[in-house]
Amino acid sequence: DGGITQSPKYLFRKEGQNVTLSCEQNLNHDAMYWYRQDPGQGLRLIYYSQIVNDFQKGDIAEGYSVSREKKESFPLTVTSAQKNPTAFYLCASSIAPQVSGANVLTFGAGSRLTVL
Amino acid sequence: AQKVTQAQTEISVVEKEDVTLDCVYETRDTTYYLFWYKQPPSGELVFLIRRNSFDEQNEISGRYSWNFQKSTSSFNFTITASQVVDSAVYFCALLDTGRRALTFGSGTRLQVQP
Repeated sequence: DGGITQSPKYLFRKEGQNVTLSCEQNLNHDAMYWYRQDPGQGLRLIYYSQIVNDFQKGDIAEGYSVSREKKESFPLTVTSAQKNPTAFYLCASSIAPQVSGANVLTFGAGSRLTVL
Repeated sequence: AQKVTQAQTEISVVEKEDVTLDCVYETRDTTYYLFWYKQPPSGELVFLIRRNSFDEQNEISGRYSWNFQKSTSSFNFTITASQVVDSAVYFCALLDTGRRALTFGSGTRLQVQP
């Protein structure tokens, strides 16, 4: 079945450590996104990528980095510069805008990061 | 700038009651797209509906219905005869056409008691 796989589901990190969250999709979608979810604040956009080898900062990109070397993969690194990284991270993808069904984001199951 | 407001933080109802989740949006775009997603306790967001700004017809899908009113910039979601399985967090979202990413409201947590 097609979908988005995020790993790990739970991750614990010590302060000062970088961690990388994996996001893989087999939907052949062009665009991929990373959102952060905190209690009571909804989802906020961290980074997004419309095509391979290109990505853009979202609303809260500071302290995060991404890469898009392959169409199906969009890993997120939470760096030590992120002051409050404890959150639930959701990866999403969508098909090309000119295709029917465009702009509907499909989400992964999320990764919960806790900083100890 | 775009904005989506879900003023109801949490709603609790008893099974079989009807419940309406409110969504108010702000955008300068003349053409825009609105969405509702459901987030069950498992965490994954599930797509429920997409609505184009030029289509103001209300939509019904089983127990779910949506009322889109451009005059009040609202896109409300009603669940008829609620069930325990409807318990989840519901998000309203607006497409940022420039970035082709979604701007989300803060969500409404619905608890349906048996």
